[in-house]
Amino acid sequence: GESVGLHLPTLSVQEGDNSIINCAYSNSASDYFIWYKQESGKGPQFIIDIRSNMDKRQGQRVTVLLNKTVKHLSLQIAATQPGDSAVYFCAEKAQTSYDKVIFGPGTSLSVIP
Amino acid sequence: GAGVSQSPRYKVTKRGQDVALRCDPISGHVSLYWYRQALGQGPEFLTYFNYEAQQDKSGLPNDRFSAERPEGSISTLTIQRTEQRDSAMYRCASSLGGEQYFGPGTRLTVT
Repeated sequence: GESVGLHLPTLSVQEGDNSIINCAYSNSASDYFIWYKQESGKGPQFIIDIRSNMDKRQGQRVTVLLNKTVKHLSLQIAATQPGDSAVYFCAEKAQTSYDKVIFGPGTSLSVIP
Repeated sequence: GAGVSQSPRYKVTKRGQDVALRCDPISGHVSLYWYRQALGQGPEFLTYFNYEAQQDKSGLPNDRFSAERPEGSISTLTIQRTEQRDSAMYRCASSLGGEQYFGPGTRLTVT
């Protein structure tokens, strides 16, 4: 079956440090992965995505790494700021259902000022 | 306001009643998705539409749940004979085929 999950349910980091949020997935047929940020009381917000033919993709202060060998995905946030405090979800799109997005359970990131 | 909107934002209903949840997608967005989200968990896929056609309803829990998007814009998720286990946040998202934009959700409480 399809499954996307996270190693750490909570993460606390000092302001200015780098954050790394990890995610494991089990469906080797998935070809598209997305990271979402969800602030309290709001809907998930797209951060960055990556296709399975890539290993790394960078955005503004964020980098996503994909290791298909071990089915592992990570989100790196550089110079973490208080505004980064939120729940982060990894998600995948399965090849068999192009537009269906499967979400993992989430990691709560708390930034300590 | 150019975002996805949902109404009502909060709904409290008694067990056995029917409820209808509305989603207004971003204008021009072809795809519309419904999700259910439990506290502390990721959104759980329910169903989605391209234009007015329902493409996938495999995530609907049972036949008490249904959705429609008759004119390819606004969508309604209907839950008949509600049960306490239906209590959750119901979220809608829309897209042009790529990034999904989520609405604020409807918090449904069944008493």
